[in-house]
Amino acid sequence: IAGITQAPTSQILAAGRRMTLRCTQDMRHNAMYWYRQDLGLGLRLIHYSNTAGTTGKGEVPDGYSVSRANTDDFPLTLASAVPSQTSVYFCASSSMGSGSPNEQFFGPGTRLTVL
Amino acid sequence: GQNIDQPTEMTATEGAIVQINCTYQTSGFNGLFWYQQHAGEAPTFLSYNVLDGLEEKGRFSSFLSRSKGYSYLLLKELQMKDSASYLCAVMDSNYQLIWGAGTKLIIKP
Repeated sequence: IAGITQAPTSQILAAGRRMTLRCTQDMRHNAMYWYRQDLGLGLRLIHYSNTAGTTGKGEVPDGYSVSRANTDDFPLTLASAVPSQTSVYFCASSSMGSGSPNEQFFGPGTRLTVL
Repeated sequence: GQNIDQPTEMTATEGAIVQINCTYQTSGFNGLFWYQQHAGEAPTFLSYNVLDGLEEKGRFSSFLSRSKGYSYLLLKELQMKDSASYLCAVMDSNYQLIWGAGTKLIIKP
């Protein structure tokens, strides 16, 4: 693995179904993030994790949950998908420390359609 | 509230120079980032400013004025491959990135 991977690449899902989007990074970054990107809107933060074992809510957390059991993995779960969750989902990671820009590195994205 | 404003779309000619502006109002400031995003792809990091002034990196430069809540990204010697969306993001007091909606840059030959 090099960088961040996400799976699946795309998915069509029936409303009401449960879905987990996977994200794995091999850069040993302590912070990880989930964003959704919708046309005409900026990236919106769903959930984040500053370190393994901790998570926090972003701007649009409703309907989503995350876990961070270890440094590398940060799965995002939709418990009961709704059409408004149709979007492109990006996972990102960054190191968090002084003296650096702490830029975020993004995975390739998951295109999710909820019907 | 927190707000990042940038133009929705700009058009420029191959070989020319273009400036993409970004204004922001955020709760706290811990740096401003510019990212490039080609259609259907992930954003990639371009530049970071935390102090006032100009940061130059090859054909790309980024400027910051914290007192004015203003930044711009300057792209020189435009190439067709520069056609992409350019995203401005500010790191707020909680060290979270607040993102603008992006500026779609169209390069014409």
